[in-house]
Amino acid sequence: RKEVEQDPGPFNVPEGATVAFNCTYSNSASQSFFWYRQDCRKEPKLLMSVYSSGNEDGRFTAQLNRASQYISLLIRDSKLSDSATYLCVGHGSGNTGKLIFGQGTTLQVKP
Amino acid sequence: DAGVTQSPTHLIKTRGQQVTLRCSPKSGHDTVSWYQQALGQGPQFIFQYYEEEERQRGNFPDRFSGHQFPNYSSELNVNALLLGDSALYLCASSLLFRDRGTEAFFGQGTRLTVV
Repeated sequence: RKEVEQDPGPFNVPEGATVAFNCTYSNSASQSFFWYRQDCRKEPKLLMSVYSSGNEDGRFTAQLNRASQYISLLIRDSKLSDSATYLCVGHGSGNTGKLIFGQGTTLQVKP
Repeated sequence: DAGVTQSPTHLIKTRGQQVTLRCSPKSGHDTVSWYQQALGQGPQFIFQYYEEEERQRGNFPDRFSGHQFPNYSSELNVNALLLGDSALYLCASSLLFRDRGTEAFFGQGTRLTVV
């Protein structure tokens, strides 16, 4: 079983839709989680950090459920520019800096 | 404030050759990690350098080695290249020992093609 698992999608949604991605992790010692956004052939860019139960930034909301070991990302009012791959990331044990990436979920927002 | 810079951006090598990739971390960051990203996959951790020492290593063979210099910049070396080493190589810089885990920032990557 992979340490961080995501549904690769693709998720095809119309502009203005609300879309949610889920991610599960197997290492219960992981303390910090992140969502990164990666555009085609570009580097991953930090979207949100998730340290406690959740975090909200504008149209984006991330939630962490430690009991069930999953993290979610909710995008409201989707824009064409939200089209990208969203990577769920966990920290290795002890917050030592090793990041463990999921495969990524591809989102395509259509007009 | 310069972000993370990597060089070169693209590289084509022949099987069996050796390659060196370079990374300069974000100003103020002291830790450099290297990742390999194959097409359609998430990045995979190769190793991490802090205070010029390798602190952690992922599941990669000894053909992959690295170095960190006193100015925190880093190199990734890959010997005896295989076709399967073709990938995007990403450098991430961060500050170690932050209270809430380290937020890593990535360079634009080096796209390596082995033919």
